[in-house]
Amino acid sequence: GESVGLHLPTLSVQEGDNSIINCAYSNSASDYFIWYKQESGKGPQFIIDIRSNMDKRQGQRVTVLLNKTVKHLSLQIAATQPGDSAVYFCAETTGNQFYFGTGTSLTVIP
Amino acid sequence: KAGVTQTPRYLIKTRGQQVTLSCSPISGHRSVSWYQQTPGQGLQFLFEYFSETQRNKGNFPGRFSGRQFSNSRSEMNVSTLELGDSALYLCASSPDIPYWDTGELFFGEGSRLTVL
Repeated sequence: GESVGLHLPTLSVQEGDNSIINCAYSNSASDYFIWYKQESGKGPQFIIDIRSNMDKRQGQRVTVLLNKTVKHLSLQIAATQPGDSAVYFCAETTGNQFYFGTGTSLTVIP
Repeated sequence: KAGVTQTPRYLIKTRGQQVTLSCSPISGHRSVSWYQQTPGQGLQFLFEYFSETQRNKGNFPGRFSGRQFSNSRSEMNVSTLELGDSALYLCASSPDIPYWDTGELFFGEGSRLTVL
């Protein structure tokens, strides 16, 4: 099966700092990547996506970077806020399924 | 518009029993997917239904099954429960355009199953 992993299971950042969450994937044929955010007691929510023909995409306070050479994906959150505390998952797909990583738990320190 | 609703939210079963979980998708969504979430394995895809037909299936044993009704509501069933089935089961619905093209998966809050 697919292997989608994350470099660190937990990450703590000071409020106002930038956060970087990393993800590695194994299938070089993966062509679509998505980041999800899961707050405590809730289901995952879509944050941002990127296709394999791009290497960067920006949203509101979030940026996703894709490095296909090393099969690495990252999510950058600018000016991290307490409301950003959650588990973040990357997901990748080559066809008709998503393969999710195990998640990184982000804690924002006030 | 109401979100994805899953029932029950919490349940406790014993080994060998079976369980049925229910999912009501967002109105108008005909695709319903099920995922198992555990701390060590993350989210793992169980199956997806579209217009009452199973369209995709993950790598779970046959003890895990599902179905979808004409109103798009879906149920999943786990028979002969094992301790390792303890997990959060998440249901997600999506519009007709395949979610693997849009990323548009709308998740419910999950049903937390504990097997004793």
